Amino acid sequence: DAGVIQSPRHEVTEMGQEVTLRCKPISGHNSLFWYRQTMMRGLELLIYFNNNVPIDDSGMPEDRFSAKMPNASFSTLKIQPSEPRDSAVYFCASSSGRANYGYTFGSGTRLTVV
Amino acid sequence: DQQVKQNSPSLSVQEGRISILNCDYTNSMFDYFLWYKKYPAEGPTFLISISSIKDKNEDGRFTVFLNKSAKHLSLHIVPSQPGDSAVYFCAASGNQFYFGTGTSLTVIP
Repeated sequence: DAGVIQSPRHEVTEMGQEVTLRCKPISGHNSLFWYRQTMMRGLELLIYFNNNVPIDDSGMPEDRFSAKMPNASFSTLKIQPSEPRDSAVYFCASSSGRANYGYTFGSGTRLTVV
Repeated sequence: DQQVKQNSPSLSVQEGRISILNCDYTNSMFDYFLWYKKYPAEGPTFLISISSIKDKNEDGRFTVFLNKSAKHLSLHIVPSQPGDSAVYFCAASGNQFYFGTGTSLTVIP
């Protein structure tokens, strides 16, 4: 298995532009998570899906952030409009069940908003 | 508010010595704890876990200790190797995983 695949690896965009991050979870995993890593807060959960349904989006910082999971093999995280404070590394992770098994993370997308 | 805290942002240890990474949590209902290791430009990878019904779990050079009364867990690496240099995140499980801010470990050859 190729693991959790995220694209792009790096994204540099201008303030005000729309940014879309993509994730392909591990086949057979029924839970998908979007995290943001910052120095101050470490790994913050933004939103997670179970069987393609959003379960908890309380971590989404503002209405500028939205996430979708149209099918079991694809998810997007969109920021519109982007701001410099959104600059961070965004990770997608997937899981096959109870947390006992942990999550498998992708390699992340480093977003820089200038 | 951070439910899982790693108060040491960085730690340096000589090769061959013990590395001790600490983690505190606030919610006594957490029932499962994990440590993840993260190299630069990679995602975090699972390292070791412990259930709340145990106080110790060992896997090779890595041992995790859990003190439920103190709401504290620690990761011991013995002996430390240069390849262990990475950022270590602890995580606690409730209805989701809550992660700490990470500790950057440097093992000096």
